[in-house]
Amino acid sequence: EVQLVESGGGLGQPGGSLRLSCAASGFTFSSYTMNWVRQAPGKGLEWVSNIGSSSDSIHYADSVKGRFTISRDNAKNSLYLQMNSLRAEDTAVYYCAKMRFPYYYMDVWGKGTTVTVSS
Amino acid sequence: QTVVTQEPSFSVSPGGTVTLTCGLSSGSVSINYYPSWYQQTPGQAPRTLIYSTHTRSSGVPDRFSGSILGNKAALTITGAQADDESDYYCVLYMGSGFLFGGGTKLTVL
Repeated sequence: EVQLVESGGGLGQPGGSLRLSCAASGFTFSSYTMNWVRQAPGKGLEWVSNIGSSSDSIHYADSVKGRFTISRDNAKNSLYLQMNSLRAEDTAVYYCAKMRFPYYYMDVWGKGTTVTVSS
Repeated sequence: QTVVTQEPSFSVSPGGTVTLTCGLSSGSVSINYYPSWYQQTPGQAPRTLIYSTHTRSSGVPDRFSGSILGNKAALTITGAQADDESDYYCVLYMGSGFLFGGGTKLTVL
C-alpha cells in the first residue's frame, strides 16, 4: 500500500525551529518529486515547497523562502522540512504529498502533522 | 501576485448539477497549467479527484468531470449526492510549484 506518514509536529516558539519528517512506503520514493502543503486552522490549502527526486530541484513559496529548508534521504525513504524563524502564521497542519510526473499533480497525501507556533 | 480564484461557496440540491470554476487573477487558465481538483472534508487529508484538466483519479465516480470553460478550469458534479458536501480546491502548476485556489465550500441541500 502506498503510504505517507508525517511526524515531528508540535508546539514551537516564535523565532524557534521544528523539523518535520515524512516516511514513505509502497512506492519507489527515489523516483518522485515530493511536496509539502499546509493548512492553517479554518483556512485553505497552501503549497509550501517541493524537491526533485535527486534533490536537484528545490522550490519554495514566498511565504517560507529563507526560513524553511526541504530535504530528502532516498536511502531512508524520507522527506524533511526544517522550519526556522517560526512565526504565528506558520501554525497549520502540514501534509507531505507525492507528485506524479508528467501530469503535475499530487496523487498521494499523508494524513498531516500539526504545528502550533505560540509562546 | 497571481491568485487562483474560486467561488467561496456554492449550493446544490441532491441529484442536481453544479459547476465550480477556477480562474486566474491575471490571464486565462489553460491545459498548460495542468489544473487539478481535490476534495476535502473536515479533519481529513485532501483526496485527488481530477488531474490534467479532465482525467479522473482512480476510484473517483464518473459524476465528477473536469474541463476548461472559457478562460477557467471547471469541475462539474452531475447528480450530486449528500456525501459530496465538502470543500473543493483547484490547483494549478506554475512551472516550479503549485498555486492553490481558496477553495469552494459545497453544500448539498
